[in-house]
Amino acid sequence: GAVVSQHPSWVICKSGTSVKIECRSLDFQATTMFWYRQFPKQSLMLMATSNEGSKATYEQGVEKDKFLINHASLTLSTLTVTSAHPEDSSFYICSVAGISTDTQYFGPGTRLTVL
Amino acid sequence: GENVGLHLPTLSVQEGDNSIINCAYSNSASDYFIWYKQESGKGPQFIIDIRSNMDKRQGQRVTVLLNKTVKHLSLQIAATQPGDSAVYFCAEKPTGGSYIPTFGRGTSLIVHP
Repeated sequence: GAVVSQHPSWVICKSGTSVKIECRSLDFQATTMFWYRQFPKQSLMLMATSNEGSKATYEQGVEKDKFLINHASLTLSTLTVTSAHPEDSSFYICSVAGISTDTQYFGPGTRLTVL
Repeated sequence: GENVGLHLPTLSVQEGDNSIINCAYSNSASDYFIWYKQESGKGPQFIIDIRSNMDKRQGQRVTVLLNKTVKHLSLQIAATQPGDSAVYFCAEKPTGGSYIPTFGRGTSLIVHP
């Protein structure tokens, strides 16, 4: 399967600041990556689909101006949480779709805590 | 509003026992199903998958059963070990749809030594 990394693994920031999370596909070129958010003891919720070289596709209810996604290369997608608030505190996980299967391979996640 | 039913169902087993984790899916048009394991503080990890033209598939210590009639999926783990303690999610993907699966609620498996 694909190897996916995320950086940072955890971050604590003050309310009102912006935080950037990186997702890297380490062993193959990914034209599409996905960003999920997961609150404690809940399932994964898809936030957006990140497409290399084009605009991301956001799920209903996800503010595109608050969660900025940039997929500038085939191995890197970034999620920037702008003007973070405590309610944005969550576990953010990216994934990459496999080349020849329907399976997604997930990164290790980034724990965001907004004070 | 009130958050109802957001607590994960929990399955507690003794080490060495067999575990069965169940999942009901909603879309009769789903043709591909995946089980993921998520350990605390980590991303989900692929365990096993099954397509709708099968009703059983076996892996190493794991078996997935699919009952399309009642839209039910189960994951059986043989000789459960403490390292199997995690949250298990089933995911379904509809026929002809994109490769974005829909995740179920998840079940927390606790293995007691």
